[in-house]
Amino acid sequence: EVQLVESGGGLVKPGGSLRLSCAASGFTFSNFAMHWVRQAPGKGLEWVSSISGGSNYIYYADSLKGRFTISRDNANNSLYLQMNSLRAEDTAVYYCAREVPITMVRGVPPDYWGQGTLVTVSS
Amino acid sequence: DIQMTQSPSSLSASVGDRVTITCRASQDIRNDLGWYQQKPGKAPKRLIYAASSLQSGVPSRFSGSGSRTEFTLTISSLQPEDFATYYCLQHNSYPRTFGQGTKVEIK
Repeated sequence: EVQLVESGGGLVKPGGSLRLSCAASGFTFSNFAMHWVRQAPGKGLEWVSSISGGSNYIYYADSLKGRFTISRDNANNSLYLQMNSLRAEDTAVYYCAREVPITMVRGVPPDYWGQGTLVTVSS
Repeated sequence: DIQMTQSPSSLSASVGDRVTITCRASQDIRNDLGWYQQKPGKAPKRLIYAASSLQSGVPSRFSGSGSRTEFTLTISSLQPEDFATYYCLQHNSYPRTFGQGTKVEIK
C-alpha cells in the first residue's frame, strides 16, 4: 500500500526555521518525482516545490524567494522541505505528493498525497 | 508562468443535477491537466488525469474533456458525496499551477 506521511509541522515564530519530512512507503521511491503543495487556512492549493527522482531537477515557486530548500534521501525513502525565514503568510497545511515523470518538466499529476502537516507562523 | 483560470468559484446544485466546471490555461498545455476533489480537512483526491482519463475507482459520473487551453470537468448526476471543492492542476511545465477552486454546495 502506498503511504506518504508528513511530519515536522508546528508553531514557529516569524523569522524562524522548520524542517518538514515526508516518509514514503509501498512504492519505489526513486522512480517518482515528489512535490510539496501547501494550503493556507480557507484558501486554495498552492504548489511549493518539486524534485526529480534522482534530485537532478529541482523547482520552486517564485514566491519563496530562496527561503525554502527541497531535498530527498532515496536510501531512506524520505522527502524534506527546509523552510527558513518563515513569515505569517507561510502558515498552511503542507502536503507531499508523488508524480510519475514523463520528461524533466512534464508528468502525470500526483496520484497519492500525504495527510498534511500544519505549519503555523506566529509570535 | 502558466495561469489557470477556473470557473465558477462556487455553485449551488441539487442531487441529480449535471454540473460543469471549466479551467482555461493561459497557454497551450496539450492535455496535461488533472482534476482533484477535496473535502474539508482531507488531502486532494485525483479524479482525472491527462485531461480525460478517469482515475481507477472514481465513479463514471465524473468525466473530463478538453485540450490545449480549454478543459471541463463534468459530473453527470450530482450525488450527496460529491459536495466538495474541485481544483484543476496543469502538469505541463514548472511552476505547476492550480486553478482557484470551485466549491460545489447543496442547493
